[in-house]
Amino acid sequence: NAGVMQNPRHLVRRRGQEARLRCSPMKGHSHVYWYRQLPEEGLKFMVYLQKENIIDESGMPKERFSAEFPKEGPSILRIQQVVRGDSAAYFCASSQIPPGKGTEAFFGQGTRLTVV
Amino acid sequence: AQSVTQPDIHITVSEGASLELRCNYSYGATPYLFWYVQSPGQGLQLLLKYFSGDTLVQGIKGFEAEFKRSQSSFNLRKPSVHWSDAAEYFCAVGADRGSTLGRLYFGRGTQLTVWP
Repeated sequence: NAGVMQNPRHLVRRRGQEARLRCSPMKGHSHVYWYRQLPEEGLKFMVYLQKENIIDESGMPKERFSAEFPKEGPSILRIQQVVRGDSAAYFCASSQIPPGKGTEAFFGQGTRLTVV
Repeated sequence: AQSVTQPDIHITVSEGASLELRCNYSYGATPYLFWYVQSPGQGLQLLLKYFSGDTLVQGIKGFEAEFKRSQSSFNLRKPSVHWSDAAEYFCAVGADRGSTLGRLYFGRGTQLTVWP
């Protein structure tokens, strides 16, 4: 049973380019969460999605960032016109049941984005 | 609002010594509490979790944590540290209801160094 798969593991983009980060949740998981980890900081919530729905995007920057989780295929975190401050590790997590009592989220290995 | 404080940014212990990593949280109701470990360049691995019941929780790799409601704490302990325990440790709290359902709040992490 494969875990949460994220790709690419490392991504280098020039300022102004677009970054696309992909996350395939664990088999049977329909709840996906994206977190960002800046250097020397803990993880910060960005967005919570279910299949074809954005449930909570209150942690997403208002501009340039978007996320989707289509009916088929992986969840995508998209960053348009990247800037140096977007350099961070982006982690995806998934869970099987709706969040709440007893929910445990499993994390992927992350995508480390470097903007040059 | 929920928040997590890990007062110790960096801890150094000798191999074989006991370990306690501190975690304090702020949450209005009964929290769901987690400890994760992150090795360099890797994702997060769940060490243990507290949802309800016995306040002393056993986890993997010989770790345990104790939930103390009166102190709003969830400290992680290990009686004898191994060199392979060197990593960064994150405490997290989750909401069981409301607008932040599904979201985890992380502390900024404690970096553990183990001397041989």
